[in-house]
Amino acid sequence: ETGVTQTPRHLVMGMTNKKSLKCEQHLGHNAMYWYKQSAKKPLELMFVYNFKEQTENNSVPSRFSPECPNSSHLFLHLHTLQPEDSALYLCASSPTGTGGAGYGYTFGSGTRLTVV
Amino acid sequence: AQTVTQSQPEMSVQEAETVTLSCTYDTSESDYYLFWYKQPPSRQMILVIRQEAYKQQNATENRFSVNFQKAAKSFSLKISDSQLGDAAMYFCAYRSTYNAGNNRKLIWGLGTSLAVNP
Repeated sequence: ETGVTQTPRHLVMGMTNKKSLKCEQHLGHNAMYWYKQSAKKPLELMFVYNFKEQTENNSVPSRFSPECPNSSHLFLHLHTLQPEDSALYLCASSPTGTGGAGYGYTFGSGTRLTVV
Repeated sequence: AQTVTQSQPEMSVQEAETVTLSCTYDTSESDYYLFWYKQPPSRQMILVIRQEAYKQQNATENRFSVNFQKAAKSFSLKISDSQLGDAAMYFCAYRSTYNAGNNRKLIWGLGTSLAVNP
């Protein structure tokens, strides 16, 4: 257990479904991140939240909708996905402020998403 | 913009032997952090070791050590006495220390898949 918990671990959904991924951390970190990891591709940063405010959206399609109700919880709402959205979705958190850069990120175990 | 390059997509090592994974990066900044992460089949991305750019001494964590060459912008990872549990994907990452916008995010290499042979 690393301190960042992601649920569910596996998810299979149809293209017309709506589902949500959940990420939770109680490390006292104020920054949270969603990454997409596909085979043979670099890690793709999707969204960044600092103090529950979205500070980065890397041209992610609107069928992915993030939500950060507080600094400890992060959601990724999914709707009308495409088969190419099948991937491992990783959540991470990190401290902010002076010296925070040196801590790197703490990751969850990811959600393996399959879109059928 | 900063970039991180891992030129070895796959490597293998015999159990108990030593292996070195390469990483180079490009930046115009003078102060930053470098990291090695391990991602085993369990998918958990685990921090292995970190290095602060203005510290000349190479970081060491048990069997893991780095060879940090700032002028050459090289940051290799050495794994000594390799164990079966070391088999994983290894990612090199860069992070700026400047506290401004996107400069604080991690910049990742493509990863090196390490196999450990018994």
